[in-house]
Amino acid sequence: EDKVVQSPLSLVVHEGDTVTLNCSYEVTNFRSLLWYKQEKKAPTFLFMLTSSGIEKKSGRLSSILDKKELFSILNITATQTGDSAVYLCAGKETSGSRLTFGEGTQLTVNP
Amino acid sequence: DTAVSQTPKYLVTQMGNDKSIKCEQNLGHDTMYWYKQDSKKFLKIMFSYNNKELIINETVPNRFSPKSPDKAHLNLHINSLELGDSAVYFCASSQARTTYEQYFGPGTRLTVT
Repeated sequence: EDKVVQSPLSLVVHEGDTVTLNCSYEVTNFRSLLWYKQEKKAPTFLFMLTSSGIEKKSGRLSSILDKKELFSILNITATQTGDSAVYLCAGKETSGSRLTFGEGTQLTVNP
Repeated sequence: DTAVSQTPKYLVTQMGNDKSIKCEQNLGHDTMYWYKQDSKKFLKIMFSYNNKELIINETVPNRFSPKSPDKAHLNLHINSLELGDSAVYFCASSQARTTYEQYFGPGTRLTVT
């Protein structure tokens, strides 16, 4: 059975800190790794990573995939209170559209 | 303007009742999904439709029946509701089955009493 494991499950930091969220995966016929941010409601898409070693960036967020070691990290620099959310990663298989989600990392950024 | 919308946002009902949740996307996507998010926040796929055709049907009780009248709509009907059905149900869509990210609706919080 496909599995995605995120760590830490919970993280509390102060504004301005830099955080690294981890995601390891075991997905049969793996194609891509996706990161989502979930605040109160719907998960919102952040990144989709398909190739190993190529960093994707969006503002203060960046992510990279290592297909040899089967993990991805999500970095957030200069955190702000608005970054407080649950960050979900999901593995996507090649043959279809199934996403296997991890449990999420609850990030709390205090002022 | 909303990309993926669901109704209702909240649903409180008693055990044994039958209820439906509706989902619509105006993104022109071909593929739609239903996910269940339980109290531990795990998002688990339930169903996926591609151009009105069922392509993913996870191990879900057959009390749950999806229906896709057209590729912009995917509804979820639940018969004989049980306490364990209480969760947030998310609809999502993607441009195609394989290569594209999924966009999620706002969720429907179902509470079965």
